[in-house]
Amino acid sequence: QSALTQPRSVSGSPGQSVTISCTGASSDVGNYNYVSWYQQYPGKAPKLMIYDVSKRPSGVPDRFSGSKSGSTASLTISGLQAEDEADYYCCSYGGEYTWLFGGGTRLTVL
Amino acid sequence: QVQLEQSGAEVKKPGASVKISCKTSGFTFTTYVIHWLRQAPGQELEWMGWINVGNFNRRYSQNFRGRLAFARDTSASTATMELSSLTSGDTAVYYCAREGGYTIDYWGQGTLVTVSS
Repeated sequence: QSALTQPRSVSGSPGQSVTISCTGASSDVGNYNYVSWYQQYPGKAPKLMIYDVSKRPSGVPDRFSGSKSGSTASLTISGLQAEDEADYYCCSYGGEYTWLFGGGTRLTVL
Repeated sequence: QVQLEQSGAEVKKPGASVKISCKTSGFTFTTYVIHWLRQAPGQELEWMGWINVGNFNRRYSQNFRGRLAFARDTSASTATMELSSLTSGDTAVYYCAREGGYTIDYWGQGTLVTVSS
């Protein structure tokens, strides 16, 4: 069982928006604004898409956005494209110099 | 540009140890923390711990207590991870990754470790 809870899968049609949730606890997601999101294609290393809850690294399309409410963080992908089909993982600083990951969400573009 | 280049795939027998290297470039090695993570086949990412390259502080996940050791060679800008007493449950792709300001940002390409008799 992963420390952070994500839906196993989500799907959407091209052009639509999807939101992936990441639920933690008041001691991690709820206590720190150090939530990040990663995109991972099969056989590849994860790529940082969102950090500090809602910031985008250079080069990440603005179709990707992040937010947080209480102990739940969310990743929203708008204007879905075929290339967005991948696994997405959330990560949170857990305090005491530990990091936590979610179980991952498989995004299918229909 | 920031790069983390990991050593090649390994096949080990149960009970053995494995050491993986992570050679970095494109940033000042001694001012960052390097994390180690792993991903079993078809499974989620698992955080293993970190090493502060500058002051050699280390933090290990409790899931690996006693079996895990991080080291670094500042002259070679290289971090290493050694995992001992391997079992089949340790079969996974192992990643090193750089942390900047509580964010794990750049990742190595991964190293597949297969534990099999």
